[in-house]
Amino acid sequence: SQKIEQNSEALNIQEGKTATLTCNYTNYSPAYLQWYRQDPGRGPVFLLLIRENEKEKRKERLKVTFDTTLKQSLFHITASQPADSATYLCALDARGNTPLVFGKGTRLSVIA
Amino acid sequence: DTEVTQTPKHLVMGMTNKKSLKCEQHMGHRAMYWYKQKAKKPPELMFVYSYEKLSINESVPSRFSPECPNSSLLNLHLHALQPEDSALYLCASSLGQGPSGTGELFFGEGSRLTVL
Repeated sequence: SQKIEQNSEALNIQEGKTATLTCNYTNYSPAYLQWYRQDPGRGPVFLLLIRENEKEKRKERLKVTFDTTLKQSLFHITASQPADSATYLCALDARGNTPLVFGKGTRLSVIA
Repeated sequence: DTEVTQTPKHLVMGMTNKKSLKCEQHMGHRAMYWYKQKAKKPPELMFVYSYEKLSINESVPSRFSPECPNSSLLNLHLHALQPEDSALYLCASSLGQGPSGTGELFFGEGSRLTVL
């Protein structure tokens, strides 16, 4: 069966360090992989989308990689700040008129 | 500020009440979605409207009834809900939803529903 896993439910890191979040999937051939940020009690906010033929995408302090052989995406926040504390969701976007499938999310806490 | 507007932000209702959640977007998006989210869980898809037609219903109980009056509006009618239906209900939109995938979702802030 299709599965999407974000390995860590929670991740604590020190301010200034790089946070790395992992998203793995099985039995899936996504066309794209997306990352969202969600603050408590609010709707998710889109951050980055990476296509299956792209290895890496960057946006300011954010970097996403996509390895279709390993079936894995890594999401990096460099020079992390307490304001980066939130839940980060990965989502698989497949072809064939199927909706996005979200992972369970990783709750990141950046400690000053 | 999100470009998808949901009302009300909070709703408390009894199990015999009938209420509606509303969602509006003016980005020209042709796909609109309802998601349900419980605490510390990911958003769970309920319904998808594509070009104002219901394209996906994820086996949602009939006490939830979606409606898409036009391309900018999406409603979720609620009737005879159960306490376990208490959750954050999220509306989202995207440019389209079809064979090439979904693309970026724009979410509203959600409607926090409590069923007593």
